[in-house]
Amino acid sequence: EVQLVESGGGLVQPGRSLRLSCSASGFTYGFTFEDFAMYWVRQRPGKGLEWVSGISRNSGKIVYADSVKGRFTISRDNANKSLYLHMTSLMTEDTGLYFCSKETLGYSETSGIGHWGQGTLVTVSS
Amino acid sequence: EIVMTQSPAILSLSPGERATLSCRASHSVRGNLAWYQQKPGQPPRLLIFGASNRATGLPARFSASGSGTEFTLTIASLQSEDFAIYYCQQYHEWPGTFGQGTKVDFK
Repeated sequence: EVQLVESGGGLVQPGRSLRLSCSASGFTYGFTFEDFAMYWVRQRPGKGLEWVSGISRNSGKIVYADSVKGRFTISRDNANKSLYLHMTSLMTEDTGLYFCSKETLGYSETSGIGHWGQGTLVTVSS
Repeated sequence: EIVMTQSPAILSLSPGERATLSCRASHSVRGNLAWYQQKPGQPPRLLIFGASNRATGLPARFSASGSGTEFTLTIASLQSEDFAIYYCQQYHEWPGTFGQGTKVDFK
């Protein structure tokens, strides 16, 4: 069973930066981390799901939500089965639980998000 | 970006009743739509992808249909474990936007 484990969350002041990491393991059926598109999805306290950013298998396609464009950078290290989110110029409205997530099917960007981590909490406050 | 709108916001039902949840896209997403279930303190769980394809292990009481801009998730006979929040998501184009959710709670 695929496991996604996020880390790097915490309390940070407005305007500061934070880097989230996600470690992936448990791939089966001949698939590996590099075969899947990956995503960051966040959930503000008591609110719904918000797609933050996505990255294709070889990092050739990267897209951000308008709310984070120019401030957040997604990246991946396929050799180390890791996904990252570098967040700068943080604002109070960036507070929330950040989920690392993975495309359902390998070699696809059209099969939904099939695996989710438990999330790492980011709190932006002075 | 494509805006996803779910209705109703809250659906109050009793166990055994049928639940019908709707999701509308501001532009056609063809069949590129997923449904998720989220319970308190848990990450979302994929239920449906490709508008109507059940995820592995999903009970048969869950079904979904639709294409283009109108989609429906149906739970044929609600079980106690089905009371949760349900989200639709389009992945026709990135950003893969979510609807605001429908909460299915006890009447």
